[in-house]
Amino acid sequence: RKEVEQDPGPFNVPEGATVAFNCTYSNSASQSFFWYRQDCRKEPKLLMSVYSSGNEDGRFTAQLNRASQYISLLIRDSKLSDSATYLCVVNIRTWLVDSNYQLIWGAGTKLIIKP
Amino acid sequence: NAGVTQTPKFQVLKTGQSMTLQCAQDMNHEYMSWYRQDPGMGLRLIHYSVGAGITDQGEVPNGYNVSRSTTEDFPLRLLSAAPSQTSVYFCASIDTGYTEAFFGQGTRLTVV
Repeated sequence: RKEVEQDPGPFNVPEGATVAFNCTYSNSASQSFFWYRQDCRKEPKLLMSVYSSGNEDGRFTAQLNRASQYISLLIRDSKLSDSATYLCVVNIRTWLVDSNYQLIWGAGTKLIIKP
Repeated sequence: NAGVTQTPKFQVLKTGQSMTLQCAQDMNHEYMSWYRQDPGMGLRLIHYSVGAGITDQGEVPNGYNVSRSTTEDFPLRLLSAAPSQTSVYFCASIDTGYTEAFFGQGTRLTVV
């Protein structure tokens, strides 16, 4: 089982709709959580952090459910420019030499917004 | 502020050749890492460094070497390229609080 799992999609969504996707993680030592956005043939960029109390940034809302070990991303009033792959990232505590944390990346969920 | 600069953007190698992917950051981050990204898979950690002179292996280190002589630079060396190393490679620099990873533009490597 992968440490961080995401539905690969693609999610085909009409412009203006609301779309949500989840990400599950298996390591209970996970400390912090993030959503990154990756455009086609580009590098990933931080979209938002995910806090225990939830986090909202404009049309984007991220939620964390520690009991069920998943995080979610909700996009309201979707725009054509939201088309991208969304990567779920979990920061886990490890005991590697001189490093206490490691980022574990999901494979991403592809989102396509159609006009 | 350039952030993370990674070169080259594209490279084609023949099996058995060696090459070095360059990565430099100007944010004074201690933590740097190299990932490879293959279709349908998440970013997989190749090697990482928590500071100058300190490196360690990640999830998929075989066939790669790294060094960290300065805080700014973290080159990745392919020792003897194999077709299985065809991938997109990303260098990343992570801030002290592990709150954000900054990536280079990526290197699309094809080994024939």
